[in-house]
Order: sequence, then C-alpha cells, then structure tokens
Amino acid sequence: EAQVTQNPRYLITVTGKKLTVTCSQNMNHEYMSWYRQDPGLGLRQIYYSMNVEVTDKGDVPEGYKVSRKEKRNFPLILESPSPNQTSLYFCASSAGTGSFLTYNEQFFGPGTRLTVL
Amino acid sequence: QKEVEQDPGPLSVPEGAIVSLNCTYSNSAFQYFMWYRQYSRKGPELLMYTYSSGNKEDGRFTAQVDKSSKYISLFIRDSQPSDSATYLCAILSNARRDDKIIFGKGTRLHILP
Repeated sequence: EAQVTQNPRYLITVTGKKLTVTCSQNMNHEYMSWYRQDPGLGLRQIYYSMNVEVTDKGDVPEGYKVSRKEKRNFPLILESPSPNQTSLYFCASSAGTGSFLTYNEQFFGPGTRLTVL
Repeated sequence: QKEVEQDPGPLSVPEGAIVSLNCTYSNSAFQYFMWYRQYSRKGPELLMYTYSSGNKEDGRFTAQVDKSSKYISLFIRDSQPSDSATYLCAILSNARRDDKIIFGKGTRLHILP
C-alpha cells in the first residue's frame, strides 16, 4: 500500500530534550516536506526537500533540522524543543514537479502530535 | 492581505443540503487550485484540483474557480455525515519544483444527521 508513515504518532517530552520524528514514504517520491498545524494558523511549512541531499527552509524553520540521506526518509529533528513547538506535525511527499495542467498530489502522513512541557 | 483566506467555521448543515465552501486569494499569478479534506486525527488528502478558471465536477463535489474575482469554491451536493471534516483550500503558482503550495486555514464542516 502506497503510504507515508510517521513515528511516533504521539510524543510528550520536556524542554531541551532532543527528539527525532521519522518520516518514510514507499512511493519513490522525490519531494518531501514537513508541516506543522496549529489552531488558527493552519498548515505551515517547516522544511522541504526536492531530492536526496537537497533541503531548504519553509516558512517556519527556526528550531528544526532535517536531513535527506535516502530518498524514502526525511526525519525532523528538534535539537532543543521548547513549549512553542507543541503542535501537530505532518510529513508529506509528492512526485515532484507537475507539468502543464497537472498537479502532483502531496500525500500526507497520519500526523505526530507533539507536546513539549 | 494574506495570500489565501478561508473562513474557519464551523459550518453545520443538515444531511442532504448543498454545502458551499469558499476561499479568496490575493495573487493573480496563482493557477492551480486544490481542495484537501482532513478527517479528525488524520492527514489531509487531496479531494480535487483545477487548473485556471472554470468548474470541475467529481461525483457530488464541484470545484469552481473565478479568477476575475480571485475566488474559489467547493460545492458538495446531497451532503452526508461522512462529509464531516475540515476542508482546506490550497493554491499554487505553477508546477515548478521550487514552487510552494499555500494552504488556507481550513473550514470545519459538520453534517447533521
């Protein structure tokens, strides 16, 4: 089954304790992205990657790191989490560039609910 | 002015009613218009997309784009309780690799049985 998986699904941690949220896709997609979703603010992009070893900042990259060493995996790293990073996080992937008249759908993972105390 | 604006709702309608969900956007360069549906505790999933102006129909769902007014709509006919979800509009300038999709904040829809 084609899917994007994230782990863990739920995480409660404390300020300053490094954590990693994993993301993996089995669709051989080039493009992967991380979003956070907060009430009243909607989906905001954190980082994205257009291919292996190519990553770039989204709208809200502060306090996050990513890496793309393999095509299928795109982990999100919080080196020193703070309470303002409490949020619902989504990983997404797509085939990359669409063509004229064609939009390449972004497939989203199930989400990771993170609470930082 | 925000690039895309969407009323967060919640919007409650009785089963069987026609639902109209809307977004406005500010940049006339946007050409791709998408609607994503997000059920509670799930990730968003693509419902429909249209390129440029006009209507697109898929079963009970119709997406409409009015580029002159910078207004996009999603209509749901014969609404069902299973349509209860958050609907996010999304826009894109073009399909280049470095282009960024911009999401609305989502409208929460409740279909009352």
